[in-house]
Amino acid sequence: GEDVEQSLFLSVREGDSSVINCTYTDSSSTYLYWYKQEPGAGLQLLTYIFSNMDMKQDQRLTVLLNKKDKHLSLRIADTQTGDSAIYFCAEIRGSARQLTFGSGTQLTVLP
Amino acid sequence: NAGVMQNPRHLVRRRGQEARLRCSPMKGHSHVYWYRQLPEEGLKFMVYLQKENIIDESGMPKERFSAEFPKEGPSILRIQQVVRGDSAAYFCASSPEGQGLNYGYTFGSGTRLTVV
Repeated sequence: GEDVEQSLFLSVREGDSSVINCTYTDSSSTYLYWYKQEPGAGLQLLTYIFSNMDMKQDQRLTVLLNKKDKHLSLRIADTQTGDSAIYFCAEIRGSARQLTFGSGTQLTVLP
Repeated sequence: NAGVMQNPRHLVRRRGQEARLRCSPMKGHSHVYWYRQLPEEGLKFMVYLQKENIIDESGMPKERFSAEFPKEGPSILRIQQVVRGDSAAYFCASSPEGQGLNYGYTFGSGTRLTVV
């Protein structure tokens, strides 16, 4: 199976909060990232968290990291239609420089 | 300051032809990474290059695929004798020398390769 796992789909109503979850298996992960991909576009870095942190907040985005359970989540407050996209979590392992991505979560925001 | 530039945006090749994908990193960036995204999948690492050096090619298929990042000019990902399974979006990312990993990576908009 995937080393980094995400649920494939999430639908929320405009104005609600969205929570996108990610689990990873490698305990040597140092940095964990959330990227956003809109249709036909590249990846936009949204936020990151270092492995010695358990929470990071950046405007409408809140990242929670549970190292014991190897669980990462991205909360988007007051979700808007412009937030509809695919969200990827990714990790850097140990001394490597390349990213390992999850398969992505398609977020659909309903009016 | 232009971002990571990839061209072409779309590329159609017949089976057996060669595909050449180009990536110009952000100004001042000397590290380039190539990733492949198959339909409805996440991105998979292919190769990591610095100027004139391949640092890690552990994600590259052993045959038909090659990459270079010359001293002058863009990085090139070359796929020889393409097959239908090579159809995918190929993304390039760049990062500066010595930058901490909290920087993340800047991605280009990708090249969508279709093999017919």
